[in-house]
Amino acid sequence: ETGVTQSPTHLIKTRGQQVTLRCSSQSGHNTVSWYQQALGQGPQFIFQYYREEENGRGNFPPRFSGLQFPNYSSELNVNALELDDSALYLCASSSFDSNEQFFGPGTRLTVL
Amino acid sequence: GDSVTQMEGPVTLSEEAFLTINCTYTATGYPSLFWYVQYPGEGLQLLLKATKADDKGSNKGFEATYRKETTSFHLEKGSVQVSDSAVYFCALSAYSGAGSYQLTFGKGTKLSVIP
Repeated sequence: ETGVTQSPTHLIKTRGQQVTLRCSSQSGHNTVSWYQQALGQGPQFIFQYYREEENGRGNFPPRFSGLQFPNYSSELNVNALELDDSALYLCASSSFDSNEQFFGPGTRLTVL
Repeated sequence: GDSVTQMEGPVTLSEEAFLTINCTYTATGYPSLFWYVQYPGEGLQLLLKATKADDKGSNKGFEATYRKETTSFHLEKGSVQVSDSAVYFCALSAYSGAGSYQLTFGKGTKLSVIP
């Protein structure tokens, strides 16, 4: 069974740029959630995707957007990067209607 | 809104000491409760969970009991090891409609176990 994978591992961008992060869900899972974890904090829910549509969103601005593909993999896009976007971005996959989520290793984004 | 409060860290213990990390929550409805662990440089691993009142979750010697009357889910281990050094997160999962569950996390408690 393949676990949740994310790419890239690390990324450095400058303020105002755009970034795309990628996630492959665990085998058998059709739902993907994204979380932002700032240094020293707990993860914060960004949004969730199911059947290629957004299916729940946290308190994040529209410049945070996502996609889900037919194979259930997902992308997180962030436009107009700000310094405060520097964080570990975690992807989690689950089965639809399940409250148990399995996390990937994360992508560390640094915005300079 | 939903929230999770866990004891501030860092916590430093000697090997074989008893561990308690307090966690309380505020939620509407009947959430499921989780403890996740994060080792340095890694993502989150599910440690244990409980889905209803009085359930006890357990794994790798860790235990936590879902206490609805005190809205708590404290993590305990009878004898910690150096390998337990990590950051521990308490979380709740609330149903937000259309099959969607989102996790709300506490700020995390860093545990260091010294030989």
